Amino acid sequence: GENVEQHPSTLSVQEGDSAVIKCTYSDSASNYFPWYKQELGKRPQLIIDIRSNVGEKKDQRIAVTLNKTAKHFSLHITETQPEDSAVYFCAASGNTNAGKSTFGDGTTLTVKP
Amino acid sequence: DADVTQTPRNRITKTGKRIMLECSQTKGHDRMYWYRQDPGLGLRLIYYSFDVKDINKGEISDGYSVSRQAQAKFSLSLESAIPNQTALYFCATSPPSGTGGWEGYTFGSGTRLTVV
Repeated sequence: GENVEQHPSTLSVQEGDSAVIKCTYSDSASNYFPWYKQELGKRPQLIIDIRSNVGEKKDQRIAVTLNKTAKHFSLHITETQPEDSAVYFCAASGNTNAGKSTFGDGTTLTVKP
Repeated sequence: DADVTQTPRNRITKTGKRIMLECSQTKGHDRMYWYRQDPGLGLRLIYYSFDVKDINKGEISDGYSVSRQAQAKFSLSLESAIPNQTALYFCATSPPSGTGGWEGYTFGSGTRLTVV
């Protein structure tokens, strides 16, 4: 089955700096890659996703890039703010797992004011 | 607003007891899932259901069972709770694959279960 590895497990940045979280996946048939943000004590929420037919997607201060050949994708947050502090999860889905998502272990991002 | 609701929010139970966690949704989604979250281990799939008559095991189904009572309701049971089932449990829903491909999940607010 699909295996997703996420790095780093913790990340601390100064407010205003950029943050990058990277994930690799094992199943070359995976074609949908969502990212979720989980604030302390709350549910994970979808913040951005990318499909295998595009290489990059941007939504305001967040962007995701996908390299299908290398089987990795990354979340980029620019101009970080304290409210960006949360746990971020990547996931991968595809036809071989009928669209079920396999999650990475999460990255705890801390943005210091 | 359409949402995914889990009950109870918190539960403490004793080893050996049977317990049921409930999930209901007003999203109109066919697909429902139960995930377990442990610190540092991400979200692991317990069971999933793509419609009322479809139930499938996930990667960690041992010790758990589910019931899909209706399109909107999906319950998770722990037959005989043990301490290592102490975790945060999330229900999630998603629409089926459309012309654009797969879609992301909407998660419930979670049930924090402690087995003593």
